[in-house]
Amino acid sequence: EPEVTQTPSHQVTQMGQEVILRCVPISNHLYFYWYRQILGQKVEFLVSFYNNEISEKSEIFDDQFSVERPDGSNFTLKIRSTKLEDSAMYFCASSKQVLGTEAFFGQGTRLTVV
Amino acid sequence: GENVEQHPSTLSVQEGDSAVIKCTYSDSASNYFPWYKQELGKGPQLIIDIRSNVGEKKDQRIAVTLNKTAKHFSLHITETQPEDSAVYFCAASTYGGSQGNLIFGKGTKLSVKP
Repeated sequence: EPEVTQTPSHQVTQMGQEVILRCVPISNHLYFYWYRQILGQKVEFLVSFYNNEISEKSEIFDDQFSVERPDGSNFTLKIRSTKLEDSAMYFCASSKQVLGTEAFFGQGTRLTVV
Repeated sequence: GENVEQHPSTLSVQEGDSAVIKCTYSDSASNYFPWYKQELGKGPQLIIDIRSNVGEKKDQRIAVTLNKTAKHFSLHITETQPEDSAVYFCAASTYGGSQGNLIFGKGTKLSVKP
Protein backbone atom coordinates (compact mmCIF):
# COMPACT_ATOMS: atom_id res chain seq x y z
CA GLU A 1 0.00 0.00 0.00
CA PRO A 2 1.41 3.41 -0.92
CA GLU A 3 2.40 5.61 1.97
CA VAL A 4 3.82 9.01 2.81
CA THR A 5 7.36 8.74 4.11
CA GLN A 6 9.18 11.30 6.21
CA THR A 7 12.83 11.69 7.12
CA PRO A 8 14.39 11.93 9.56
CA SER A 9 12.17 10.38 12.22
CA HIS A 10 13.88 12.48 14.90
CA GLN A 11 15.92 15.65 14.52
CA VAL A 12 17.71 17.47 17.31
CA THR A 13 18.98 20.93 16.53
CA GLN A 14 20.48 23.89 18.32
CA MET A 15 18.37 26.99 18.73
CA GLY A 16 19.03 29.37 15.86
CA GLN A 17 19.97 26.65 13.40
CA GLU A 18 18.13 25.86 10.20
CA VAL A 19 16.45 22.50 9.68
CA ILE A 20 14.93 20.83 6.65
CA LEU A 21 12.28 18.19 7.10
CA ARG A 22 11.74 15.91 4.17
CA CYS A 23 8.71 14.12 2.86
CA VAL A 24 7.96 11.86 -0.07
CA PRO A 25 4.22 12.09 -0.78
CA ILE A 26 2.29 9.34 -2.50
CA SER A 27 3.29 9.42 -6.14
CA ASN A 28 -0.01 10.27 -7.84
CA HIS A 29 -1.12 12.80 -5.27
CA LEU A 30 -1.33 16.45 -6.18
CA TYR A 31 -1.94 18.22 -2.87
CA PHE A 32 0.62 18.35 -0.10
CA TYR A 33 0.41 19.57 3.46
CA TRP A 34 2.46 20.15 6.56
CA TYR A 35 0.95 19.92 10.03
CA ARG A 36 2.55 20.06 13.43
CA GLN A 37 1.65 18.67 16.84
CA ILE A 38 3.21 20.11 19.95
CA LEU A 39 3.42 17.44 22.64
CA GLY A 40 0.03 16.86 24.21
CA GLN A 41 -1.75 19.34 21.96
CA LYS A 42 -3.88 19.15 18.85
CA VAL A 43 -2.60 18.71 15.33
CA GLU A 44 -2.31 22.16 13.71
CA PHE A 45 -2.35 23.04 10.03
CA LEU A 46 0.72 24.85 8.73
CA VAL A 47 0.53 24.99 4.95
CA SER A 48 -0.94 23.43 1.84
CA PHE A 49 0.82 23.24 -1.51
CA TYR A 50 -0.55 22.63 -4.97
CA ASN A 51 0.76 23.15 -8.46
CA ASN A 52 4.14 24.26 -7.14
CA GLU A 53 2.84 27.02 -4.98
CA ILE A 54 1.40 27.60 -1.54
CA SER A 55 -2.38 27.50 -1.71
CA GLU A 56 -3.10 28.20 1.93
CA LYS A 57 -1.15 28.83 5.11
CA SER A 58 -1.95 29.37 8.76
CA GLU A 59 -0.82 32.11 11.11
CA ILE A 60 1.83 29.75 12.42
CA PHE A 61 3.50 29.62 9.00
CA ASP A 62 5.40 32.89 9.19
CA ASP A 63 8.57 34.03 7.40
CA GLN A 64 10.59 31.54 9.41
CA PHE A 65 9.02 28.71 7.43
CA SER A 66 9.21 27.79 3.76
CA VAL A 67 8.21 24.83 1.65
CA GLU A 68 9.58 23.50 -1.57
CA ARG A 69 9.07 20.69 -4.02
CA PRO A 70 12.60 20.53 -5.39
CA ASP A 71 11.94 17.60 -7.70
CA GLY A 72 9.09 15.34 -8.71
CA SER A 73 9.06 13.34 -5.52
CA ASN A 74 10.21 15.31 -2.49
CA PHE A 75 8.34 17.94 -0.49
CA THR A 76 10.34 19.81 2.14
CA LEU A 77 9.67 22.09 5.07
CA LYS A 78 12.48 24.46 6.01
CA ILE A 79 12.57 26.19 9.35
CA ARG A 80 15.08 29.02 9.56
CA SER A 81 16.59 30.09 12.87
CA THR A 82 14.74 27.52 14.98
CA LYS A 83 13.28 28.49 18.34
CA LEU A 84 12.60 26.35 21.39
CA GLU A 85 8.87 26.58 20.72
CA ASP A 86 9.35 24.97 17.31
CA SER A 87 9.87 21.67 19.10
CA ALA A 88 7.02 19.46 17.93
CA MET A 89 6.08 16.52 15.76
CA TYR A 90 5.80 17.60 12.15
CA PHE A 91 3.53 15.63 9.86
CA CYS A 92 3.49 15.68 6.10
CA ALA A 93 0.30 14.67 4.31
CA SER A 94 -0.84 14.31 0.74
CA SER A 95 -4.12 13.83 -1.06
CA LYS A 96 -5.13 13.01 -4.59
CA GLN A 97 -7.56 15.87 -4.75
CA VAL A 98 -8.27 18.85 -2.58
CA LEU A 99 -9.43 17.87 0.89
CA GLY A 100 -12.75 16.11 0.82
CA THR A 101 -10.92 13.03 -0.27
CA GLU A 102 -8.65 11.07 2.01
CA ALA A 103 -5.47 12.77 3.19
CA PHE A 104 -2.67 10.34 4.00
CA PHE A 105 -0.27 11.27 6.76
CA GLY A 106 3.34 10.30 7.21
CA GLN A 107 4.68 8.93 10.46
CA GLY A 108 6.08 12.32 11.44
CA THR A 109 9.42 13.91 12.27
CA ARG A 110 10.01 14.75 15.89
CA LEU A 111 11.92 18.02 16.02
CA THR A 112 13.65 18.89 19.26
CA VAL A 113 15.23 22.33 19.55
CA VAL A 114 17.73 22.65 22.39
CA GLY B 1 -12.09 30.68 11.53
CA GLU B 2 -13.16 27.17 12.28
CA ASN B 3 -12.86 25.81 15.81
CA VAL B 4 -13.36 22.15 16.69
CA GLU B 5 -14.03 21.00 20.23
CA GLN B 6 -13.70 17.32 21.15
CA HIS B 7 -14.87 15.40 24.22
CA PRO B 8 -13.93 13.52 26.24
CA SER B 9 -10.16 13.92 26.38
CA THR B 10 -9.79 10.41 27.81
CA LEU B 11 -12.11 7.44 27.64
CA SER B 12 -11.68 4.05 29.23
CA VAL B 13 -13.99 1.16 28.35
CA GLN B 14 -14.11 -2.58 28.89
CA GLU B 15 -13.50 -4.80 25.89
CA GLY B 16 -16.77 -5.42 24.13
CA ASP B 17 -18.38 -2.18 25.27
CA SER B 18 -19.15 0.74 22.98
CA ALA B 19 -17.23 4.00 22.87
CA VAL B 20 -18.59 7.37 21.77
CA ILE B 21 -16.52 10.47 21.05
CA LYS B 22 -18.21 13.78 20.30
CA CYS B 23 -17.09 16.86 18.42
CA THR B 24 -18.60 20.24 17.73
CA TYR B 25 -17.57 22.72 15.08
CA SER B 26 -18.19 26.42 14.67
CA ASP B 27 -18.08 27.16 10.94
CA SER B 28 -21.35 26.31 9.22
CA ALA B 29 -19.45 26.24 5.90
CA SER B 30 -17.52 23.13 6.95
CA ASN B 31 -18.61 20.20 4.85
CA TYR B 32 -16.11 17.41 5.40
CA PHE B 33 -15.56 15.62 8.71
CA PRO B 34 -12.90 12.92 8.95
CA TRP B 35 -11.87 10.91 11.98
CA TYR B 36 -8.27 9.89 12.49
CA LYS B 37 -6.72 7.24 14.70
CA GLN B 38 -3.20 7.84 15.93
CA GLU B 39 -1.22 5.02 17.46
CA LEU B 40 1.92 5.66 19.46
CA GLY B 41 4.79 6.78 17.25
CA LYS B 42 2.70 6.89 14.09
CA GLY B 43 0.97 9.50 12.04
CA PRO B 44 -2.81 9.97 12.02
CA GLN B 45 -4.65 7.40 9.96
CA LEU B 46 -8.07 8.06 8.50
CA ILE B 47 -10.64 5.59 9.79
CA ILE B 48 -13.88 7.09 8.55
CA ASP B 49 -15.16 10.33 7.11
CA ILE B 50 -18.51 11.94 6.40
CA ARG B 51 -19.64 14.76 4.16
CA SER B 52 -22.33 17.26 5.00
CA ASN B 53 -24.86 15.77 2.61
CA VAL B 54 -24.95 12.58 4.69
CA GLY B 55 -26.27 12.13 8.22
CA GLU B 56 -24.69 8.82 9.10
CA LYS B 57 -22.05 6.48 7.77
CA LYS B 58 -21.05 3.05 8.98
CA ASP B 59 -18.07 0.82 8.34
CA GLN B 60 -18.18 -2.44 10.27
CA ARG B 61 -17.76 -1.57 13.97
CA ILE B 62 -17.27 2.14 13.33
CA ALA B 63 -19.98 4.68 12.63
CA VAL B 64 -20.10 8.44 12.40
CA THR B 65 -23.16 10.65 12.74
CA LEU B 66 -23.49 14.28 11.72
CA ASN B 67 -26.01 16.85 12.88
CA LYS B 68 -25.54 19.90 10.68
CA THR B 69 -28.12 21.97 12.50
CA ALA B 70 -26.44 21.50 15.84
CA LYS B 71 -22.98 21.47 14.26
CA HIS B 72 -21.83 18.33 15.94
CA PHE B 73 -20.63 14.93 14.85
CA SER B 74 -19.81 11.77 16.74
CA LEU B 75 -17.74 8.64 16.38
CA HIS B 76 -19.22 5.38 17.60
CA ILE B 77 -17.13 2.26 18.05
CA THR B 78 -19.02 -0.90 18.95
CA GLU B 79 -17.64 -4.15 20.35
CA THR B 80 -14.39 -2.48 21.26
CA GLN B 81 -11.17 -4.47 21.20
CA PRO B 82 -7.79 -3.81 22.85
CA GLU B 83 -6.33 -2.87 19.46
CA ASP B 84 -8.79 0.02 19.30
CA SER B 85 -6.73 1.69 22.03
CA ALA B 86 -5.26 4.86 20.51
CA VAL B 87 -5.78 8.60 20.30
CA TYR B 88 -8.70 9.58 18.09
CA PHE B 89 -8.95 12.97 16.43
CA CYS B 90 -11.95 14.52 14.78
CA ALA B 91 -11.44 17.21 12.16
CA ALA B 92 -13.47 19.58 10.04
CA SER B 93 -12.76 21.10 6.68
CA THR B 94 -14.32 23.14 3.95
CA TYR B 95 -13.37 21.47 0.74
CA GLY B 96 -13.68 22.66 -2.76
CA GLY B 97 -11.70 24.83 -5.08
CA SER B 98 -7.97 24.73 -4.64
CA GLN B 99 -7.85 25.09 -0.92
CA GLY B 100 -8.65 22.97 2.03
CA ASN B 101 -7.11 22.23 5.35
CA LEU B 102 -8.12 20.18 8.34
CA ILE B 103 -8.92 21.77 11.69
CA PHE B 104 -8.42 19.12 14.34
CA GLY B 105 -9.94 18.58 17.74
CA LYS B 106 -7.64 18.03 20.71
CA GLY B 107 -7.96 14.28 20.60
CA THR B 108 -9.45 11.54 22.76
CA LYS B 109 -7.22 8.90 24.29
CA LEU B 110 -9.23 5.68 24.20
CA SER B 111 -8.16 2.80 26.40
CA VAL B 112 -9.87 -0.56 25.95
CA LYS B 113 -9.28 -2.85 28.89
CA PRO B 114 -9.30 -6.60 28.23
